[in-house]
Amino acid sequence: QKEVEQNSGPLSVPEGAIASLNCTYSDRVSQSFFWYRQYSGKSPELIMSIYSNGDKEDGRFTAQLNKASQYVSLLIRDSQPSDSATYLCAVNTAWGSQGNLIFGKGTKLSVKP
Amino acid sequence: ETGVTQTPRHLVMGMTNKKSLKCEQHLGHNAMYWYKQSAKKPLELMFVYNFKEQTENNSVPSRFSPECPNSSHLFLHLHTLQPEDSALYLCASSQETGTNYGYTFGSGTRLTVV
Repeated sequence: QKEVEQNSGPLSVPEGAIASLNCTYSDRVSQSFFWYRQYSGKSPELIMSIYSNGDKEDGRFTAQLNKASQYVSLLIRDSQPSDSATYLCAVNTAWGSQGNLIFGKGTKLSVKP
Repeated sequence: ETGVTQTPRHLVMGMTNKKSLKCEQHLGHNAMYWYKQSAKKPLELMFVYNFKEQTENNSVPSRFSPECPNSSHLFLHLHTLQPEDSALYLCASSQETGTNYGYTFGSGTRLTVV
């Protein structure tokens, strides 16, 4: 059973701090990794994708990937109350010879003013 | 309209009813998906269609029946559901199945089975 693990949280950080969200995955052959943000009552929204080891930065967001450790993370700098949401880690996995996304349960982030 | 549109947004149905969920994407994508999201559980992949052909069925009970008449439309037909089927049903699309493609989700249908 291919799995994606995340701490469910809630993770609480003060406004302006760095929020660090972590994800591990079990399928060693996974190639693509995504972070989605889901506000309460809304659908998931893609915010970052990463395919190679190392860091990828986009504005206040940095995704980090370490395939050897099967670990992917998302850093949010200068956290804002509007960042409060559940963050879903998604990993592509070869399933029935097609690559489909497997999601973690999500980490709930709360940014306090 | 743009993106992925799902209707209805909310649905309450009895266990003996038959209803259908509709999804339409305006992104020119070739792959479409149905996911189920229940409280405190990860998103569960139900069905995958690529170029109108069903490529995966993740052991979903037969009371859920998908239909994909073309690459832009996806339906989920529901009949004799159980209360534990109450959940948020999300439709998504991507350029194709396979690696490197992120998914665009619709707003979902909140289903309650009574």
